[in-house]
Amino acid sequence: EAQVTQNPRYLITVTGKKLTVTCSQNMNHEYMSWYRQDPGLGLRQIYYSMNVEVTDKGDVPEGYKVSRKEKRNFPLILESPSPNQTSLYFCASSQQGFGNQPQHFGDGTRLSIL
Amino acid sequence: DAKTTQPPSMDCAEGRAANLPCNHSTISGNEYVYWYRQIHSQGPQYIIHGLKNNETNEMASLIITEDRKSSTLILPHATLRDTAVYYCIVREKGSNYKLTFGKGTLLTVNP
Repeated sequence: EAQVTQNPRYLITVTGKKLTVTCSQNMNHEYMSWYRQDPGLGLRQIYYSMNVEVTDKGDVPEGYKVSRKEKRNFPLILESPSPNQTSLYFCASSQQGFGNQPQHFGDGTRLSIL
Repeated sequence: DAKTTQPPSMDCAEGRAANLPCNHSTISGNEYVYWYRQIHSQGPQYIIHGLKNNETNEMASLIITEDRKSSTLILPHATLRDTAVYYCIVREKGSNYKLTFGKGTLLTVNP
């Protein structure tokens, strides 16, 4: 089954403790992206990757890092999490192609930073 | 970038067609119209997209006006599981494929 898998689905942690949210897709998609969703602000893009070893900032990259060493994986790293990073996070992927390919989203990761 | 305007909420009776409107009056010629939906706090789900012709798939139909300034998503026989926030998105120009989600329309399907 074609899917985007995020782990963990839920995490409660404390300020400053490094964490990684993993994202994996089994559709051989070139493009992957991370979004966060906050009440009243909608979904906002954090980082994206057009292919292996190619990443770039989205609209709200501060406090986050990403890497794309393999095509299927695109982990989101919070080196020193803070309470303002408490949010619902989604990973998405799509085929490359003139920008008209639909994006497939994971089921989300709910992070609470205390 | 083209922006979209959607009603904040709509109701529909189960089994009836749900027609969700979207205005995108500043859309440019090479920008696609996408529809996604989000059920509760699940990941957004792709529904359909189009450029200028009407489109239909197993989930819905998309009607785009001739001037491309507005579109309508049609769910032909709405069910309770179609209750969700529906987002009309015009894909931004550029190469990052970013989707800009607005506030969307909360569609409530009633028994």
